[in-house]
Amino acid sequence: DTAVSQTPKYLVTQMGNDKSIKCEQNLGHDTMYWYKQDSKKFLKIMFSYNNKELIINETVPNRFSPKSPDKAHLNLHINSLELGDSAVYFCASSQAFTGIGEAFFGQGTRLTVV
Amino acid sequence: SQQGEEDPQALSIQEGENATMNCSYKTSINNLQWYRQNSGRGLVHLILIRSNEREKHSGRLRVTLDTSKKSSSLLITASRAADTASYFCATGGGTSGSRLTFGEGTQLTVNP
Repeated sequence: DTAVSQTPKYLVTQMGNDKSIKCEQNLGHDTMYWYKQDSKKFLKIMFSYNNKELIINETVPNRFSPKSPDKAHLNLHINSLELGDSAVYFCASSQAFTGIGEAFFGQGTRLTVV
Repeated sequence: SQQGEEDPQALSIQEGENATMNCSYKTSINNLQWYRQNSGRGLVHLILIRSNEREKHSGRLRVTLDTSKKSSSLLITASRAADTASYFCATGGGTSGSRLTFGEGTQLTVNP
């Protein structure tokens, strides 16, 4: 029944490792997003995909690579993890690409790099 | 760049009181949305107001939008302890294009 689900919920890893976060939505939405929430709760968009096509790529290090195998999935792969990557990462989806409607968020993945 | 700024950053009230949170933004928008985030959880959409609307109600929520001042307010009436959460405004469309740009959030604590 979960609309937007992302796994894992918690991820603790060492610097230099490569990790992936998976996201799936069962709402039939065309647009999916990755947001990063820092320790001060500030939310910043990282990527946006519409029908598997990359639309938004904010100033994010090349170590972050999103992949959308189909419009229901948007995964995030991070190479060579750094301490500063520690944050909560949220996947979201929305129906409207232009004009922006309501967005549905996953529960978040708390990434801790040690 | 950060779009929205919210004030206050933190608000503590007693159950039954009303809570008002404000949001200011910088660019043209298609709509403005408010979200709630409970501790350790994802964001939940509360209400959307379009740029041609001035006021909208949903249950105990009342949202106003003043596009001339580029500001919005969220009023929660008769607050409950369960309303304790962080509240974010987000702007969509317009100059922001296909993204939702979030404010810094207001941490609301409702004391029983």
